[in-house]
Amino acid sequence: AQTVTQSQPEMSVQEAETVTLSCTYDTSESDYYLFWYKQPPSRQMILVIRQEAYKQQNATENRFSVNFQKAAKSFSLKISDSQLGDAAMYFCAYRPFSGNTGKLIFGQGTTLQVKP
Amino acid sequence: DADVTQTPRNRITKTGKRIMLECSQTKGHDRMYWYRQDPGLGLRLIYYSFDVKDINKGEISDGYSVSRQAQAKFSLSLESAIPNQTALYFCATSDSGTPTNTIYFGEGSWLTVV
Repeated sequence: AQTVTQSQPEMSVQEAETVTLSCTYDTSESDYYLFWYKQPPSRQMILVIRQEAYKQQNATENRFSVNFQKAAKSFSLKISDSQLGDAAMYFCAYRPFSGNTGKLIFGQGTTLQVKP
Repeated sequence: DADVTQTPRNRITKTGKRIMLECSQTKGHDRMYWYRQDPGLGLRLIYYSFDVKDINKGEISDGYSVSRQAQAKFSLSLESAIPNQTALYFCATSDSGTPTNTIYFGEGSWLTVV
């Protein structure tokens, strides 16, 4: 079975510093997609960044970047120059390429606190 | 305005009542989904629809039904609500014409069953 694990229930970072959120997954598929979603107190699920497994290059979106290690099945999110608005719960999610039901498999989430 | 709009945003209902959550989207996407989020957990898929005539059960469809009234509208019904259906419900959309078929979520509907 495909699973996603986020081993850090809570993290904190000082404003303007860098923080890395961890995510590991288990799959026997070779083609898949990985995502990080942000859920602020407003409850909305906001896409932060996505990575195609067939791409070796790590995805980057402004202050957000990932470290994708396919062999290790690891997909960490790095937030640089942290801002107060980054405080939220972050979910790592996996979607297989085959079947394509749209089913996202989520991790348990990591709550990120940003300290001023 | 949000691209994926859910109504109501919050609802309290009694056990045994029928409740409908509605979703509409202006993204022009062909695929729509309903997910459920319980406290401390990630989201789980209830139903998904690839087009108006295609409805499929997700991993937790028992106790729920859906209707795809148009490409832009997808509603979720609880025929007889029970307390363990208290959760945050998300409608979502994706475009099958894009390589990643990324899923975009609405703002969520918090449902409390008492």
